[in-house]
Amino acid sequence: GAVVSQHPSWVICKSGTSVKIECRSLDFQATTMFWYRQFPKQSLMLMATSNEGSKATYEQGVEKDKFLINHASLTLSTLTVTSAHPEDSSFYICSARTGQPPKGNVLTFGAGSRLTVL
Amino acid sequence: GENVGLHLPTLSVQEGDNSIINCAYSNSASDYFIWYKQESGKGPQFIIDIRSNMDKRQGQRVTVLLNKTVKHLSLQIAATQPGDSAVYFCAEPYEGAGTALIFGKGTTLSVSS
Repeated sequence: GAVVSQHPSWVICKSGTSVKIECRSLDFQATTMFWYRQFPKQSLMLMATSNEGSKATYEQGVEKDKFLINHASLTLSTLTVTSAHPEDSSFYICSARTGQPPKGNVLTFGAGSRLTVL
Repeated sequence: GENVGLHLPTLSVQEGDNSIINCAYSNSASDYFIWYKQESGKGPQFIIDIRSNMDKRQGQRVTVLLNKTVKHLSLQIAATQPGDSAVYFCAEPYEGAGTALIFGKGTTLSVSS
């Protein structure tokens, strides 16, 4: 089946540094990928929609200058957390649509990336 | 946007029991729902889906029921096993974000042996 791979699975960084998270579709092409953020014991919250070859679409309240998204190819989207602060510590999960009609809305998720900012 | 919510935050069952996890949705126009399972430290995994033209769908040990009248969705797990322990989310397409999904709050299922 379709696999979405994320890297790194966990990262610790110092406050003020930037961190890049990669999301790859391993055996299919994904023109659109979605980035979610999940705080402990909470649900997944959509951050942005990553579109191959164009700008990402950010949800309300998500700072596009802080969370840079690049979708340069049909199999890779990257999320860069710039000038990270402790409040950015979270579980970041990417996903891609893998279902064909009538399951076109099924998303396959990566394993997630745990970010801890000291 | 509309919210997909969960009735109970936690559910504890004994191994072998049947589990029922509930979800209430508010958007009466929603036509598709998905259940995901998320184990600790991992991404969500697809379990089963259902379209609004159906009221029941069965998979392996799982059944999803949809009651459009009261806007209620449930996931039934038969003969619950310790490996079923996880957080379960219902989700629906989010029209505002190009087929992304919006998730409910989640129910933590704890299965004891």
